[in-house]
Amino acid sequence: DAGVTQSPTHLIKTRGQQVTLRCSPISGHKSVSWYQQVLGQGPQFIFQYYEKEERGRGNFPDRFSARQFPNYSSELNVNALLLGDSALYLCASSRWGGRGTEAFFGQGTRLTVV
Amino acid sequence: AQSVTQLDSQVPVFEEAPVELRCNYSSSVSVYLFWYVQYPNQGLQLLLKYLSGSTLVKSINGFEAEFNKSQTSFHLRKPSVHISDTAEYFCAVSDASGGATNKLIFGTGTLLAVQP
Repeated sequence: DAGVTQSPTHLIKTRGQQVTLRCSPISGHKSVSWYQQVLGQGPQFIFQYYEKEERGRGNFPDRFSARQFPNYSSELNVNALLLGDSALYLCASSRWGGRGTEAFFGQGTRLTVV
Repeated sequence: AQSVTQLDSQVPVFEEAPVELRCNYSSSVSVYLFWYVQYPNQGLQLLLKYLSGSTLVKSINGFEAEFNKSQTSFHLRKPSVHISDTAEYFCAVSDASGGATNKLIFGTGTLLAVQP
């Protein structure tokens, strides 16, 4: 079975631009979460979605938004990019996303803002 | 709110030596505890987890961790490391008190550098 797949793997954007990152969960998983990992730090929670509904939101500005589609894939959008948005963006899927359920991570999208 | 502290940013160790990676957490509610490993240019892989039951949990590749509630710790140990264990290790917690989320709070990570 395929794991969590993310696209693109690498991306370079200019300050002020907008970016869309994509994630396909493991087959049968209905919950998707997004994390930001800045170089040298641990991942930080951005969003969680389950059955297309937002289930949690981290401490990120409104420039960050996400959605989940009927096939459970997800997109993360970031508007008005800043240099500080440069990071590895990780998507994690889980069967139903409730407490204690295991999260499986994709390999991430490396975003560089110049 | 929860937080995780990994005091050691880097742990150098010789091959076949034992190692301990330290993790302490803070939380006002009960938590689940996890160790994830990240190899260069890859995502995170779950190494082991504590949800309930025995406080000593083990992975298939020789790592083990013990949940110590009184010391709010979940240290990771391996009696004999290999070159292939070189990676970044992240300790994480999630809320076990209720709610419908498996949101993870991560520490800053510890780089395990195994030298020949």
